[in-house]
Amino acid sequence: KAGVTQTPRYLIKTRGQQVTLSCSPISGHRSVSWYQQTPGQGLQFLFEYFSETQRNKGNFPGRFSGRQFSNSRSEMNVSTLELGDSALYLCASSRVFELQETQYFGPGTRLLVL
Amino acid sequence: GESVGLHLPTLSVQEGDNSIINCAYSNSASDYFIWYKQESGKGPQFIIDIRSNMDKRQGQRVTVLLNKTVKHLSLQIAATQPGDSAVYFCAENRAQGGGSQGNLIFGKGTKLSVKP
Repeated sequence: KAGVTQTPRYLIKTRGQQVTLSCSPISGHRSVSWYQQTPGQGLQFLFEYFSETQRNKGNFPGRFSGRQFSNSRSEMNVSTLELGDSALYLCASSRVFELQETQYFGPGTRLLVL
Repeated sequence: GESVGLHLPTLSVQEGDNSIINCAYSNSASDYFIWYKQESGKGPQFIIDIRSNMDKRQGQRVTVLLNKTVKHLSLQIAATQPGDSAVYFCAENRAQGGGSQGNLIFGKGTKLSVKP
């Protein structure tokens, strides 16, 4: 079974631009969560989607948004990029969320904002 | 303000020795705990999990111990190998309203270095 895939793997943007990252969960997984990883803050939760609905959200500004499609694939968008948005963005999927299913992570998208 | 990199605790062990990585979690309401391993340039990889109704769980070469009294979690790796070199994170998850939320709260991580 293929793992979680994320595209693109690397991205360079400039301040003020926007970016869209994509995540394809493991087949059969319906819950997708996004995390930001930086050297300064570690791994921080962004949001979680299940059945195309955002079920939980972390403490990030409204510039960070996401969505999930009917096939469980998810995208996250960051608008008006800032230098501090440079990070590794990780997507994780699990079958469901009600039973605390294990989350499996993708390789991440490394975003550099110049 | 200036962003400062996290000072990761580091554990250095000799190949073949046992490793113990510790983690203190924050919320007594947390009822599901996971250990992840992250190698350079990769996403976190699931190692083992444990629910709050258990004190110990064993996997292949790994054991997780949970002490709810002091909110402490540990990961033991037997016969540590060079391939075990990575950053190890503990994560906690708490159920709310009868179901769980899909967010994990991660610890800062411990860097394990295995000397051949």
